[in-house]
Amino acid sequence: DTGVSQDPRHKITKRGQNVTFRCDPISEHNRLYWYRQTLGQGPEFLTYFQNEAQLEKSRLLSDRFSAERPKGSFSTLEIQRTEQGDSAMYLCASSQPPFADTQYFGPGTRLTVL
Amino acid sequence: AQRVTQPEKLLSVFKGAPVELKCNYSYSGSPELFWYVQYSRQRLQLLLRHISRESIKGFTADLNKGETSFHLKKPFAQEEDSAMYYCGSGLNFGNEKLTFGTGTRLTIIP
Repeated sequence: DTGVSQDPRHKITKRGQNVTFRCDPISEHNRLYWYRQTLGQGPEFLTYFQNEAQLEKSRLLSDRFSAERPKGSFSTLEIQRTEQGDSAMYLCASSQPPFADTQYFGPGTRLTVL
Repeated sequence: AQRVTQPEKLLSVFKGAPVELKCNYSYSGSPELFWYVQYSRQRLQLLLRHISRESIKGFTADLNKGETSFHLKKPFAQEEDSAMYYCGSGLNFGNEKLTFGTGTRLTIIP
């Protein structure tokens, strides 16, 4: 499978704990995006990378959230001191503009904060 | 800021009947409009985008700048069209962030 992969697919944690998600984009895609989707809503943009550079962050990305893409390949999204409101599906997407500019999505990581 | 509105959360249509999923956008510039679809237990995937002007799986969508709409249409619904459909916009499609509507769940009644 050469699509975008995400790990883990499901994560249950207690309030106050830290969690980290991983996204592996399609090989050689230089753009990587993180979105969050809550129940009944469409995906909402969180942040995106061009290679290892983080180019934009949404105001949804509070200080408790941090994303990295250290080598320009896979990316991690960490949430510190999780809150119940962080419960959502976290989606990753990748693209390779300008010739392959469709954003391809991964299966998502479903986070449940108890 | 970009905003995308899908007024219908749920839509049920009989097999063989025409389908129209509504989408309106608000943006002062010239965003790129698109439709993503999510079938049961599958990931989001691009259905079509307005600049390509393609017909995918029998679906078409015309950008109406006067009405700021990008409705998705299909003349004859098929059971396999049952899915969640998201309309969205992007300033530079794959190059920057995408803004999605809340989605419409389409159910095709056999």
